[in-house]
Amino acid sequence: DVKVTQSSRYLVKRTGEKVFLECVQDMDHENMFWYRQDPGLGLRLIYFSYDVKMKEKGDIPEGYSVSREKKERFSLILESASTNQTSMYLCASSSTDRERVGYTFGSGTRLTVV
Amino acid sequence: AQKITQTQPGMFVQEKEAVTLDCTYDTSDPSYGLFWYKQPSSGEMIFLIYQGSYDQQNATEGRYSLNFQKARKSANLVISASQLGDSAMYFCAMRRAGGYQKVTFGTGTKLQVIP
Repeated sequence: DVKVTQSSRYLVKRTGEKVFLECVQDMDHENMFWYRQDPGLGLRLIYFSYDVKMKEKGDIPEGYSVSREKKERFSLILESASTNQTSMYLCASSSTDRERVGYTFGSGTRLTVV
Repeated sequence: AQKITQTQPGMFVQEKEAVTLDCTYDTSDPSYGLFWYKQPSSGEMIFLIYQGSYDQQNATEGRYSLNFQKARKSANLVISASQLGDSAMYFCAMRRAGGYQKVTFGTGTKLQVIP
């Protein structure tokens, strides 16, 4: 069964901490994405990556950075966590060749910043 | 820029009835794809159905069908014979042509199926 795995389901961090959210996929997908989901706002794209060491800003990159050192792993970094970054974070991946197939999503990380 | 609009924050449907979830979109791209996803209370996002902008027929996948009206820029999801397990959030989304492209999501519709 193909998977996108996010390292934590729930996470509680303090304001100002540096936070790492990890995502690993086993489908050899080229493309990986980080979204945050907030009630009433749907899913908003933070960063995405087409290839190893490549990254592109999404719609709301402020306060975040990413790292993709290996094809299967895409990390989201909150440089200095703030309470307005409390949210559900969803990682997804896709294959460039399978255009008619939607993303495969991870199960999400619910981050609370206190 | 691409935009997806879902105007129904919440809907109720009787079990075994059909329901239509509305989605309109805006894009200047000539070639694009439209998606619907389901998110149960467990939180996982499940891909349901895809419609390409140049597809000749409306997409169907089991009890799901997509009512695609290109001129009106609408891509409504129709669920036939609703089941209790259909209770979930439903997101409409679109992407420019190309599997590497990012996907833009709507704000979602919460569907509740009543026994």
